[in-house]
Amino acid sequence: DAGVIQSPRHEVTEMGQEVTLRCKPISGHNSLFWYRQTMMRGLELLIYFNNNVPIDDSGMPEDRFSAKMPNASFSTLKIQPSEPRDSAVYFCASSLDAGDIQYFGAGTRLSVL
Amino acid sequence: AQSVTQPDIHITVSEGASLELRCNYSYGATPYLFWYVQSPGQGLQLLLKYFSGDTLVQGIKGFEAEFKRSQSSFNLRKPSVHWSDAAEYFCAVEGNTGFQKLVFGTGTRLLVSP
Repeated sequence: DAGVIQSPRHEVTEMGQEVTLRCKPISGHNSLFWYRQTMMRGLELLIYFNNNVPIDDSGMPEDRFSAKMPNASFSTLKIQPSEPRDSAVYFCASSLDAGDIQYFGAGTRLSVL
Repeated sequence: AQSVTQPDIHITVSEGASLELRCNYSYGATPYLFWYVQSPGQGLQLLLKYFSGDTLVQGIKGFEAEFKRSQSSFNLRKPSVHWSDAAEYFCAVEGNTGFQKLVFGTGTRLLVSP
């Protein structure tokens, strides 16, 4: 299996623009997680899906952030409008089910100018 | 809620020397414990995990970790460090009932000197 695949690897955008990050989980995994990594706050869980349904979005910072999982093999994290403080590395992870080992993608490095 | 402390931000070890990275956790019961490694520009790779049973767990790349309930610790060790081990290491804790968030420590950056 190719593992968790994220795209793009790098994204540079201007403040106010919409940004969409994409994730393909490992085939057969039922749980998907979005994390954000910054120097100041470390790794934070943003949202968690189980069987394509959002279960816990308490980590989503504000309404500018939204996440969807239209099917078992694809998820998006959208920021609209983006702000410089959103600059971070965003990771997607998947696991067989809730509580199982999480496998991480290589991340998307987002820079908002 | 669970929490994790990695007291060392940076550690420098000579190649061939032994390594120990510290991790302390806070949780009301015995949690699930993990060590992940992150190489520059890469995602996190699982090194090893503790769920239950033997408190000394073996992982990939020659790493091991020991769960000590009395000290609430899960320190990572390697007897002989290689230059390729230079990376950032994250300890993580997860509650053991239902779904609970995987909470990460702030990480320890390992530098390996020749």
